[in-house]
Amino acid sequence: KAGVTQTPRYLIKTRGQQVTLSCSPISGHRSVSWYQQTPGQGLQFLFEYFSETQRNKGNFPGRFSGRQFSNSRSEMNVSTLELGDSALYLCASSLALQGYEQYFGPGTRLTVT
Amino acid sequence: GENVEQHPSTLSVQEGDSAVIKCTYSDSASNYFPWYKQELGKRPQLIIDIRSNVGEKKDQRIAVTLNKTAKHFSLHITETQPEDSAVYFCAFSSSGSARQLTFGSGTQLTVLP
Repeated sequence: KAGVTQTPRYLIKTRGQQVTLSCSPISGHRSVSWYQQTPGQGLQFLFEYFSETQRNKGNFPGRFSGRQFSNSRSEMNVSTLELGDSALYLCASSLALQGYEQYFGPGTRLTVT
Repeated sequence: GENVEQHPSTLSVQEGDSAVIKCTYSDSASNYFPWYKQELGKRPQLIIDIRSNVGEKKDQRIAVTLNKTAKHFSLHITETQPEDSAVYFCAFSSSGSARQLTFGSGTQLTVLP
């Protein structure tokens, strides 16, 4: 089975712009979670989607949003980018609503200048 | 809020020795405790996990122990090899969602040949 894929892998944006990141889960996995990884804050949960519905949300401002499509693919959007949004954005997929194991994608490295 | 303390932040061992990493968590309702290994520039990789109805779980050279009363869990790696060198993260599931993980700050393990 193919693993979790994320596109693009690298992105450079300017402050004030917006960005959309994409995540394709492992085939058959229906849950997608997003995490932000930075040297200072570590790995932090952003939100989780299952069946096109946001199930949980972490402590991030409203500029961070996401969605999930009927094929379980997910996108996250960050509007009005700030320098502090520079990070590795990781998505993780899980089999089902009661599935525990999460498998991470390679991440998208976002740099905001 | 929910948090997890992970110790030590860095750990150097000789090849063949054992390594132990400990985490203490805050949410007594947590019931899922995974460990991830992240090599430089790569995605976090799930290496072992444990659920709250189990006290210990082993997979070859890796074991995890859980003490729910004391709210701590540990990763044990025996017969360490240079390829075990990586950053290891503990995590626990937030109450109400198995897939909203709170991560520790990571342990940089270096196995010296």
